[in-house]
Amino acid sequence: DAMVIQNPRYQVTQFGKPVTLSCSQTLNHNVMYWYQQKSSQAPKLLFHYYDKDFNNEADTPDNFQSRRPNTSFCFLDIRSPGLGDAAMYLCATSNTGDPPLHFGNGTRLTVT
Amino acid sequence: AQTVTQSQPEMSVQEAETVTLSCTYDTSESDYYLFWYKQPPSRQMILVIRQEAYKQQNATENRFSVNFQKAAKSFSLKISDSQLGDAAMYFCAYLNRDDKIIFGKGTRLHILP
Repeated sequence: DAMVIQNPRYQVTQFGKPVTLSCSQTLNHNVMYWYQQKSSQAPKLLFHYYDKDFNNEADTPDNFQSRRPNTSFCFLDIRSPGLGDAAMYLCATSNTGDPPLHFGNGTRLTVT
Repeated sequence: AQTVTQSQPEMSVQEAETVTLSCTYDTSESDYYLFWYKQPPSRQMILVIRQEAYKQQNATENRFSVNFQKAAKSFSLKISDSQLGDAAMYFCAYLNRDDKIIFGKGTRLHILP
């Protein structure tokens, strides 16, 4: 089945130690999104790509970066994680003008 | 900027009964999409139902239906014959012209056996 896959499902990192989360899709969608979701809150958009065009939300911290080397893969890099970055990170995909978004299972990040 | 408001942080319903979750939104766009997403405890976000703003007919998916009132900017979700598996966080969401989806804060739905 076509899907959105996030690895790993759970990630533990130390305060200040860089970490990378990955997302892959078999849907061939041109738009990919990264959301941060803290406990009992709505997902918050960090950034999204139209193909390779990167769109950063104004309030996304500089600590967060992203790469999309090809259509299928997208990475979220957290350069120096703080305790406040502990959250669930959701990857989603869609085709322009053809909703809805398809979500992965998420990666739960713990910062120790 | 668009906003989505869910005024019910939590709701409970007896199994087999009907429940309605409220959602209002604010936008100046005339063409857009609205969604209800379900997020069970396993945390994967699953689409429940979608509505195109240009369609007057309310969307229906099995036990799930919406009451879309465009002029009032209201988009409520009705769940009929509630089942234990319906217990989850429900998010109302708006898709804008930039393909960005804006979520409400969610309503946690409890199903009472």
